[in-house]
Amino acid sequence: LAKTTQPISMDSYEGQEVNITCSHNNIATNDYITWYQQFPSQGPRFIIQGYKTKVTNEVASLFIPADRKSSTLSLPRVSLSDTAVYYCLVGVYNQGGKLIFGQGTELSVKP
Amino acid sequence: SAVISQKPSRDICQRGTSLTIQCQVDSQVTMMFWYRQQPGQSLTLIATANQGSEATYESGFVIDKFPISRPNLTFSTLTVSNMSPEDSSIYLCSVENLPAGGGTEAFFGQGTRLTVV
Repeated sequence: LAKTTQPISMDSYEGQEVNITCSHNNIATNDYITWYQQFPSQGPRFIIQGYKTKVTNEVASLFIPADRKSSTLSLPRVSLSDTAVYYCLVGVYNQGGKLIFGQGTELSVKP
Repeated sequence: SAVISQKPSRDICQRGTSLTIQCQVDSQVTMMFWYRQQPGQSLTLIATANQGSEATYESGFVIDKFPISRPNLTFSTLTVSNMSPEDSSIYLCSVENLPAGGGTEAFFGQGTRLTVV
């Protein structure tokens, strides 16, 4: 399973776009890139997953360059409720299996 | 999606005692996972619970300390045995969905916050 590196913390203000970048230099051909969000006193929640290029859903966008050695989670116009820890995971999950969580990025959104 | 219910949501226990955490899923799943999240830390996988076979433990976790049951495809329990203050953590149950387009989406219970005194 590829190791990931993310910033430990980030600060933002309401209404701004937030981009969190994750490095995964050892990503394998079959690996997917997945992001989870965790609020205090709750379990992680799946946000978005991608393999290459760009993926967008109602919550976020995920940008993956051609070499796939990094990825960027983009949160448009954040609000106070987006304050959470964001985890980037990389691995061969298309057949199910254990998840290996890195340290995550603690995002603090201020008014 | 899957809805996961964990019981209890929190507990305060005396050292040396044991606590059993229950995890109920609203659909049948092959694998269930147990994680530990120590204060201020990320999640660490304890073990994978498969129905009909013994759980598979990750390095650093042993069956005597964290016995797991998996009696059917919707239920599992994790016991934290002979507790010490170092066992104070949030314990989370998880299952996975495999979307048709590939990848994996994991669902988590709300966690059990354990404090050992």
